[in-house]
Amino acid sequence: DIQVTQSPSFLSASVGDRVTITCRTSHSISTYLNWYQQVPGKAPKLLIFAASSLQSGVPSRFSGSGSGTDFTLTISSFQPEDFATYYCQQSYATPRTFGQGTKVEI
Amino acid sequence: QVQLQESGPGLVKPSETLSLTCSVSGGSVTSSYWTWVRQPAGKGLEYIGLIYSRDVTHYQPSLKSRVTMSLDTSKNQVTLKLSSVTAADTAVYYCAREQKTSRDLDYWGQGILVTVSS
Repeated sequence: DIQVTQSPSFLSASVGDRVTITCRTSHSISTYLNWYQQVPGKAPKLLIFAASSLQSGVPSRFSGSGSGTDFTLTISSFQPEDFATYYCQQSYATPRTFGQGTKVEI
Repeated sequence: QVQLQESGPGLVKPSETLSLTCSVSGGSVTSSYWTWVRQPAGKGLEYIGLIYSRDVTHYQPSLKSRVTMSLDTSKNQVTLKLSSVTAADTAVYYCAREQKTSRDLDYWGQGILVTVSS
């Protein structure tokens, strides 16, 4: 199985901050890396697919980069509605695997 | 617009089989890939498995011996069965659509809490 290591596990942010979350995979996965946002009590929501493609309707302050084994999710100017837990997921191989999550708090 | 809705018992006894249904509207179950994901309270997302083309399945190795996924094309539903459940299987269970090309999970159900308890 491809292991996905996400960091940090917790992150403290303020409105307007630039926030960066990273994911590293145990094998090269090209750009088969997706990012999701989950607010408490809700289903995850797709933010970024194929490492850097912005899902329709997602604000442009969210961006993704990377290929191979190292990937980054960046929020350019953190907004109050962005307080949530973020997950990366590799979809290069089955079983698909998720990172452990990054909880972004005040 | 694709919509997914999970349904099934919210309480299952230990050693019994958990059975959930994901009803799909706005698209055919035969034209997409479908995934089940679960999330124990306060924990992260765990991939359960993937199904497409009626009978092609890929399961999480740690659950493979207990999981069965299927498609009911007449009802446009995706089903999940997990046998011999224990308290460790207590979680919110989500179904989601996986895009064939980009392989991302673009549509999710709202999730259903399943508690394993006697």
